[in-house]
Amino acid sequence: KNEVEQSPQNLTAQEGEFITINCSYSVGISALHWLQQHPGGGIVSLFMLSSGKKKHGRLIATINIQEKHSSLHITASHPRDSAVYICAVSDGSQGNLIFGKGTKLSVKP
Amino acid sequence: EADIYQTPRYLVIGTGKKITLECSQTMGHDKMYWYQQDPGMELHLIHYSYGVNSTEKGDLSSESTVSRIRTEHFPLTLESARPSHTSQYLCASSEPANYGYTFGSGTRLTVV
Repeated sequence: KNEVEQSPQNLTAQEGEFITINCSYSVGISALHWLQQHPGGGIVSLFMLSSGKKKHGRLIATINIQEKHSSLHITASHPRDSAVYICAVSDGSQGNLIFGKGTKLSVKP
Repeated sequence: EADIYQTPRYLVIGTGKKITLECSQTMGHDKMYWYQQDPGMELHLIHYSYGVNSTEKGDLSSESTVSRIRTEHFPLTLESARPSHTSQYLCASSEPANYGYTFGSGTRLTVV
């Protein structure tokens, strides 16, 4: 069993829809990261969370430490949001990132 | 505007050749990382460094080696490339306490 599980693996949405991507983890963490990877391969850090909720534009990330669960929400989705969204956690020891397999999002116009 | 630079962006090379993938960052971060990512798969840590003269092996065994002579520079070397080394290699650095990761654009390596 992977230490970081994401769902769904693939997601297709129509432009304007509200999108939720889920992440569950089984290890103790110091922080949880949401990353975005476009087809070209580069990765952009969207959020880093250790508690509560953060918002940036149309993106919202939440984390529940007790339940070891985080969600990434995209409001009013747009085709340019199409990418792979990756959940990663910093473990408590060396602090290196442990990655989920990613969620491939495709937003159709 | 990228603060971490990887070159080359794409590389096709013959079996047995020696290659060095370059990674430089301008943020003064002490901790740097190399990840390997096969198509459609998750990232795996192959090397990391806590700072100058520090190098550690990651979770995924790799035949590559790294060096850290300067804070800003963390090159990865393959002494003899093989087709099994075909993959994407991503470099990253992080702020103290492992917060605030910044990733490079990656090097897509194909060994023929």
